[in-house]
Amino acid sequence: QKEVEQDPGPLSVPEGAIVSLNCTYSNSAFQYFMWYRQYSRKGPELLMYTYSSGNKEDGRFTAQVDKSSKYISLFIRDSQPSDSATYLCAMKEVLTGGGNKLTFGTGTQLKVEL
Amino acid sequence: DAGVTQSPTHLIKTRGQQVTLRCSPKSGHDTVSWYQQALGQGPQFIFQYYEEEERQRGNFPDRFSGHQFPNYSSELNVNALLLGDSALYLCASSLAGRNQPQHFGDGTRLSIL
Repeated sequence: QKEVEQDPGPLSVPEGAIVSLNCTYSNSAFQYFMWYRQYSRKGPELLMYTYSSGNKEDGRFTAQVDKSSKYISLFIRDSQPSDSATYLCAMKEVLTGGGNKLTFGTGTQLKVEL
Repeated sequence: DAGVTQSPTHLIKTRGQQVTLRCSPKSGHDTVSWYQQALGQGPQFIFQYYEEEERQRGNFPDRFSGHQFPNYSSELNVNALLLGDSALYLCASSLAGRNQPQHFGDGTRLSIL
């Protein structure tokens, strides 16, 4: 079983729709939770970075973390064609001896259509 | 303010060869991490460098090695290349500290023939 599970999609929605992306995880050592957006032939771009359970909002994006259920979500309101990309969830574990590492989901491919 | 820069952008090698990839961190960052991203997959952690030392390592063979320089830039070296090493290699930089986010470059796409 993978430490982080993410539905790979593809997910296709009409412009203006609300998009919901989700990940589940099994490792209780994960302390920080991130969403990255990756366009084709580009590196991941950090969208949201959260620590505690609850909601965090930034413009059209809302990140939700439920540590008790080991479940995180990203909501995109008023989706635009420019939001078409692969969305990666990532979890950070602080390691013994210092340092940290990110564990990623496989990514969900999103297409927003006109 | 320049972000994370990686070079080269694309590289083609043959099996058994060796390769060196380079990364310059975002201005002010002192920690560099390397990831391998296979097609259709999420990035996999290779290792992390801080103060010129390998601080943490993922589940990769010792054919994968790295270095960090006093100016915080970093190199990833891969020896005895295998077909399965074909991937996008991503560098991420951050400030030391448990709550600091990692920022990624656009990667080097390595193709093994």
